[in-house]
Amino acid sequence: AQSVTQLDSHVSVSEGTPVLLRCNYSSSYSPSLFWYVQHPNKGLQLLLKYTSAATLVKGINGFEAEFKKSETSFHLTKPSAHMSDAAEYFCVATSGTYKYIFGTGTRLKVLA
Amino acid sequence: EPEVTQTPSHQVTQMGQEVILRCVPISNHLYFYWYRQILGQKVEFLVSFYNNEISEKSEIFDDQFSVERPDGSNFTLKIRSTKLEDSAMYFCATSGVGTDTQYFGPGTRLTVL
Repeated sequence: AQSVTQLDSHVSVSEGTPVLLRCNYSSSYSPSLFWYVQHPNKGLQLLLKYTSAATLVKGINGFEAEFKKSETSFHLTKPSAHMSDAAEYFCVATSGTYKYIFGTGTRLKVLA
Repeated sequence: EPEVTQTPSHQVTQMGQEVILRCVPISNHLYFYWYRQILGQKVEFLVSFYNNEISEKSEIFDDQFSVERPDGSNFTLKIRSTKLEDSAMYFCATSGVGTDTQYFGPGTRLTVL
């Protein structure tokens, strides 16, 4: 069965330092992979999407993610955190049907 | 930029009452979904809907739940007799033809007392 694991439930970084949010997936086929962000009291906003065109995917707000098939990982990074990046981040995989499989989420805290 | 909208933003109801959650999809989207997120838990798939039919549903989506698109615009989720454990944030999502990217609404927070 497909599954998505986000290895950290909470990550704290200082403003201006790099961000790394980790995600591993398990799938019997090659899924599409996504990162969504949820700010407090807001909906889920698409950050970026991997299909198969390129292993390094650039998203909005300076985020990017690298797909590594050998490691079944899709980690999200950003070179320099901003206060406005504080939010919950979800790694998502398609399931082979239309439904999404969500990770448990990583809450990013950015310290001044 | 087109977006998915949901109403109400917050619904409080008594146990056993019926609730209807509404979603207005992005105008040219044809695939519709409902997900829920119980406080502190992961987002879970409930149901997908296409061409006026349920495409797939999870085991959470039992006989107490139903979906429809009554007027060709709104997409609704009905819970016939709410239980305390139905308290959650409910997200509607939609996608267009030929893509698996889903766009989410802001959610409806359902509180069952």
